[in-house]
Amino acid sequence: AQKITQTQPGMFVQEKEAVTLDCTYDTSDQSYGLFWYKQPSSGEMIFLIYQGSYDEQNATEGRYSLNFQKARKSANLVISASQLGDSAMYFCAMREVFYNTDKLIFGTGTRLQVFP
Amino acid sequence: DAGVIQSPRHEVTEMGQEVTLRCKPISGHNSLFWYRQTMMRGLELLIYFNNNVPIDDSGMPEDRFSAKMPNASFSTLKIQPSEPRDSAVYFCASSFFPGGGTDTQYFGPGTRLTVL
Repeated sequence: AQKITQTQPGMFVQEKEAVTLDCTYDTSDQSYGLFWYKQPSSGEMIFLIYQGSYDEQNATEGRYSLNFQKARKSANLVISASQLGDSAMYFCAMREVFYNTDKLIFGTGTRLQVFP
Repeated sequence: DAGVIQSPRHEVTEMGQEVTLRCKPISGHNSLFWYRQTMMRGLELLIYFNNNVPIDDSGMPEDRFSAKMPNASFSTLKIQPSEPRDSAVYFCASSFFPGGGTDTQYFGPGTRLTVL
C-alpha cells in the first residue's frame, strides 16, 4: 500500500526567509503523482504544485518549488520568500490509481507559522 | 471560473437526524470525490465517481452513509441517521480523468458538520 509521511508536525519561519517542508513516500508503482495542498485556517484545500514520477525537472509554481528526489522517495516543498499569508497547514499527497479506484493518499500535514 | 461548490458550509444537527450535503463539481470535470477530514483520521476518501458512476465506495463508513450523482453537475452525500462521531469536515473534489497530466483534484470549501 502507498504511504505518505510528513515528519514535521510544525515549522516556524521568519517572513522573507525560505522554508522546506518534508515529505517522503512509499510506493512500488513506477508511475505516480505527488501533490502539495495548503489548508489555511479558513479550511479550504488549495492545490499548490504537482510532480509526476517521470518528470525530470523539479516542479515550480511561483514561490513554490518541489525538491523531488526519486531515489530517496522524497518530495519536499520549498517556499521561498515566506509571507505572513503562508501560515497554514500543508499536506503532501500521492495519487493512487488502481483499476477500480483513483484517490489521493494524504500525509498528516505540517503546520507552518510565519512570523514577522 | 467557478470552483467546486458545496452547500451548506456549516451544518449543526441532532443525533438521529438526516443530513444531506451537496456538491457541484467544476464544469467539464468527470471525476468527483467525497473526502472526510477529522483530527483522528486526517483526510480519507469516502467515495469516488467517474462519469456519474460510483467506482469505489470502500471508504464509506457504514450503511448510514450514501452518495448519489444523478448528473454531471450535482452530487449528494447523505447520512441517516447521523451520529456524533460523524462530526467532521466533508470535502467534495473534482478532476478530469484522463487529464494527460496532473489530473489534479480541486477541492470545494468543505462542509463542517456537527452532530450533537
